[in-house]
Amino acid sequence: GAVVSQHPSWVICKSGTSVKIECRSLDFQATTMFWYRQFPKQSLMLMATSNEGSKATYEQGVEKDKFLINHASLTLSTLTVTSAHPEDSSFYICSARDWAGYTFGSGTRLTVV
Amino acid sequence: QKEVEQNSGPLSVPEGAIASLNCTYSDRGSQSFFWYRQYSGKSPELIMSIYSNGDKEDGRFTAQLNKASQYVSLLIRDSQPSDSATYLCAVPPGPFSGSARQLTFGSGTQLTVLP
Repeated sequence: GAVVSQHPSWVICKSGTSVKIECRSLDFQATTMFWYRQFPKQSLMLMATSNEGSKATYEQGVEKDKFLINHASLTLSTLTVTSAHPEDSSFYICSARDWAGYTFGSGTRLTVV
Repeated sequence: QKEVEQNSGPLSVPEGAIASLNCTYSDRGSQSFFWYRQYSGKSPELIMSIYSNGDKEDGRFTAQLNKASQYVSLLIRDSQPSDSATYLCAVPPGPFSGSARQLTFGSGTQLTVLP
């Protein structure tokens, strides 16, 4: 089946630094990549939709200058959390549409200390 | 009204019983419906998709769809302790919604299968 590889699986960073999360579609071309955030005991909340070669579309309340999304190729989308703060600590998951439905990356656990 | 609603949990069933998970959605134009299983600390994994009214069976899992009632359910027969997880109902918008076809998730139902 379709595979989306997400890295890193976990990261700890200091407050004020930036963290980049990568998602690669390994066996299909992902024209669109969806980025979700999930806090403990809550469901997935869509942050933004990235389209290859164009600007990402952010959901209401998500700061586009803080969560930078780049989708430079059909197989790679990145999310950079800039000037991270403890409240940004969360589980970040990417997803892409494939021939069967939607495939998710394995997620990135971000902890900001 | 939330776009996708699931019956509130948590749900506990004894091993070997049938677990029933329910979901309603608001977009009448939605044409595809997904059930994902999410273990704690992991990302969701697809267990069932359904597109037509009626039942769809895959092993111990049966998805049921009623578009007139805007209702989709998941039955897990012969529940096992390894089925203990959070189950997420997910629905993309209809083709005429103008959106990017992202999934909208329900809040999830936490299932515990007791040995």
